[in-house]
Amino acid sequence: AQTVTQSQPEMSVQEAETVTLSCTYDTSESDYYLFWYKQPPSRQMILVIRQEAYKQQNATENRFSVNFQKAAKSFSLKISDSQLGDAAMYFCAYYAGGTSYGKLTFGQGTILTVHP
Amino acid sequence: DSGVTQTPKHLITATGQRVTLRCSPRSGDLSVYWYQQSLDQGLQFLIQYYNGEERAKGNILERFSAQQFPDLHSELNLSSLELGDSALYFCASSERTSGAYEQYFGPGTRLTVT
Repeated sequence: AQTVTQSQPEMSVQEAETVTLSCTYDTSESDYYLFWYKQPPSRQMILVIRQEAYKQQNATENRFSVNFQKAAKSFSLKISDSQLGDAAMYFCAYYAGGTSYGKLTFGQGTILTVHP
Repeated sequence: DSGVTQTPKHLITATGQRVTLRCSPRSGDLSVYWYQQSLDQGLQFLIQYYNGEERAKGNILERFSAQQFPDLHSELNLSSLELGDSALYFCASSERTSGAYEQYFGPGTRLTVT
């Protein structure tokens, strides 16, 4: 079974600084997708970034980028120029492809605090 | 606002009772997913429907059932409720059946079982 592990229950960063959130996953699949979702205090789940396993190039979305290490099964999220609005719970998620249809497997989450 | 609506926002009920959670997907989305978020289990996939048919099943208890109607809205029925069923229940929708694409989450229904 696929598992997703976020080893950092909590992280903090100063405004305008850079922070990296870690995620590792376990899978025997070759075709899969990885995601980072953000859950602010409003509880709304918001997609931050998406990475296809077959792509070697790391995904970027404005201040958000990932470091995807396929062999190490590692998928970290880097937030640059952190803003107060980045404070949230961040979830790493995995999709297996094949007959998994829409099933996403989530990590336990990392609470990010941004200090002014 | 994701375009996915869920009702009710909050629900408080007693053990042994039955409740129904409702979800309306984004316009045009055929897939609906249900997730449960609790403190001890984290965020877990329950079930997926695509255009009225069940497509994938996760850690959904036998006391729970779901369906998707012809107008594509979905309902999650929880029966014989236990204290451990207290959680935030999310509905999400997407245009396609594959999880490779973004799932748009609703605001959730907070269920409290007393």
